[in-house]
Amino acid sequence: GQQLNQSPQSMFIQEGEDVSMNCTSSSIFNTWLWYKQDPGEGPVLLIALYKAGELTSNGRLTAQFGITRKDSFLNISASIPSDVGIYFCAGQPTNAGGTSYGKLTFGQGTILTVHP
Amino acid sequence: GAGVSQSPSNKVTEKGKDVELRCDPISGHTALYWYRQSLGQGLEFLIYFQGNSAPDKSGLPSDRFSAERTGGSVSTLTIQRTQQEDSAVYLCASSYGGLGGYEQYFGPGTRLTVT
Repeated sequence: GQQLNQSPQSMFIQEGEDVSMNCTSSSIFNTWLWYKQDPGEGPVLLIALYKAGELTSNGRLTAQFGITRKDSFLNISASIPSDVGIYFCAGQPTNAGGTSYGKLTFGQGTILTVHP
Repeated sequence: GAGVSQSPSNKVTEKGKDVELRCDPISGHTALYWYRQSLGQGLEFLIYFQGNSAPDKSGLPSDRFSAERTGGSVSTLTIQRTQQEDSAVYLCASSYGGLGGYEQYFGPGTRLTVT
């Protein structure tokens, strides 16, 4: 099946620092999504990207859909303690069809720890 | 509007017992997904329902796992003869399901502990 490589696996940063994480795929994706999961809760959608090259911001978060359509990154600027959590990328492969249509492939997550 | 809801939020059961987990998707969402998440791990796909189509069961780990979706809305995930390795958080998500409707919205999950 499809594989997404998400990196880094974990990050330990100081409050105020900027953060960058990314996902890469061996195949072309037509959608990239970024989620955040707080402890004990379900993942929450942060940003959705639908066009190659698209750069989208949501507050201190910025995500881009790579022009090769095989990667995406998420940046968090001026981190704060509540940014702690697990960040997941997810994507919809372009060759998905039949019962795979609408089914997302998820990265393994980046665990973010922010020290005050 | 109301998001995805799941019940119970926590379930402790004895090894060998059957359990049922419930998911209420967002109203109007035609697609519904079940995932499993072990402690500190990523999301493991279990099963996917899209409208009236046959479900994609390719992620179910064994025949002890089954799911149904009644009336195109509420879904129940059933685990028979639970084992300790079934302990995990079970997450449900729903999406619009139409063209481009890839954005999945998750419920809070059910934490299952098998003793």
